[in-house]
Amino acid sequence: GAVVSQHPSRVICKSGTSVKIECRSLDFQATTMFWYRQFPKKSLMLMATSNEGSKATYEQGVEKDKFLINHASLTLSTLTVTSAHPEDSSFYICSAPFGLAGFYNEQFFGPGTRLTVL
Amino acid sequence: AQKITQTQPGMFVQEKEAVTLDCTYDTSDPSYGLFWYKQPSSGEMIFLIYQGSYDQQNATEGRYSLNFQKARKSANLVISASQLGDSAMYFCAMSLTGGGNKLTFGTGTQLKVEL
Repeated sequence: GAVVSQHPSRVICKSGTSVKIECRSLDFQATTMFWYRQFPKKSLMLMATSNEGSKATYEQGVEKDKFLINHASLTLSTLTVTSAHPEDSSFYICSAPFGLAGFYNEQFFGPGTRLTVL
Repeated sequence: AQKITQTQPGMFVQEKEAVTLDCTYDTSDPSYGLFWYKQPSSGEMIFLIYQGSYDQQNATEGRYSLNFQKARKSANLVISASQLGDSAMYFCAMSLTGGGNKLTFGTGTQLKVEL
């Protein structure tokens, strides 16, 4: 199956700093990638859809200026948590669909990034 | 808007027994896909099985089968011959065919397989 990587897998930072998380599709091109957030023992909540060559589409309630998304190429999307605070601590997971648009597309998930803001 | 409901926060099953994890969904869109994912404690999301809204037969993948009852809007996951390695969080999810592949997840069921 297709492989999606995330880097870093774990990051600890001080409050007020910015953190960048990378999501890469390793063996396929992804014009769209998705960013999810997961709190401990909770479900995955879609934050935004990353679109190659255009602006990301954010879900309602997600701060665009807080969570900056850049889809720089067909294999790379980045999520930058700006001025991070302890409440931003969470597990962030990206995914990329692989298949024909509009039909069944299996989502390939990255291994996730655990962010801890002190 | 679509919604996924998983009413079992936790389930226990004995090794080698079968277990059913419940999932109901709500959407007015006639075209959708239903997915089950497994998330072990490591956090990775593992795809298990898929059912399309127009599929006539229930999906099966090895020890996993999806009991799709369209009229009831349910898509229960059946795991046969449970193994200790099946202990994990299980999520039901839905994607609308015209929704750009976005997944809406249920709240999950924590499955514990016991000896």
